Amino acid sequence: EPEVTQTPSHQVTQMGQEVILRCVPISNHLYFYWYRQILGQKVEFLVSFYNNEISEKSEIFDDQFSVERPDGSNFTLKIRSTKLEDSAMYFCASSALGGRQETQYFGPGTRLLVL
Amino acid sequence: AQSVTQLGSHVSVSEGALVLLRCNYSSSVPPYLFWYVQYPNQGLQLLLKYTTGATLVKGINGFEAEFKKSETSFHLTKPSAHMSDAAEYFCAVSEETSYDKVIFGPGTSLSVIP
Repeated sequence: EPEVTQTPSHQVTQMGQEVILRCVPISNHLYFYWYRQILGQKVEFLVSFYNNEISEKSEIFDDQFSVERPDGSNFTLKIRSTKLEDSAMYFCASSALGGRQETQYFGPGTRLLVL
Repeated sequence: AQSVTQLGSHVSVSEGALVLLRCNYSSSVPPYLFWYVQYPNQGLQLLLKYTTGATLVKGINGFEAEFKKSETSFHLTKPSAHMSDAAEYFCAVSEETSYDKVIFGPGTSLSVIP
């Protein structure tokens, strides 16, 4: 069964460093998402992406964050200058279509630790 | 603001017993509701979803959930718990003013006692 994959599974970085989290969505999906879950807190929406541009973003997704689909398969989340509070599990998701009733399929997550 | 609440952050049941995980939501428009499960070290897997139509929704692994508009609830049940059901369960609702955003509840950790 097709699935969303994410690399790396764990990333440790120093505060102020740039990190890139990578995702390979399900191959025929057109809509892509990033969510994060700070330890002990809820899963939170960060951003959605369609047709090579951001569809929607949350207030969390500030200028330190960017997303890109550099080729036909990868979807990346970049954090330019990491802060301690960026430590979280980051989930990538994809869906075939957009819309409120569509199922978003999630990857296993990347656990980011900022020291 | 729209929200999802899950009563009980931890639920323990005996193997073979009924599983009941509670979820209440707020929405001023007809909601689209989801239950996801997260097994240790894995991603979020869709168990079931409600969009329109029949209010009793059947999902994978013997789970089902019933949408009750009057109670703004979408509780998840399974008649007989199995050891492999031990996981974190998340209820979620599509954000009413958004095309893409899903709002998650805080999650319920289910333990199954042999």
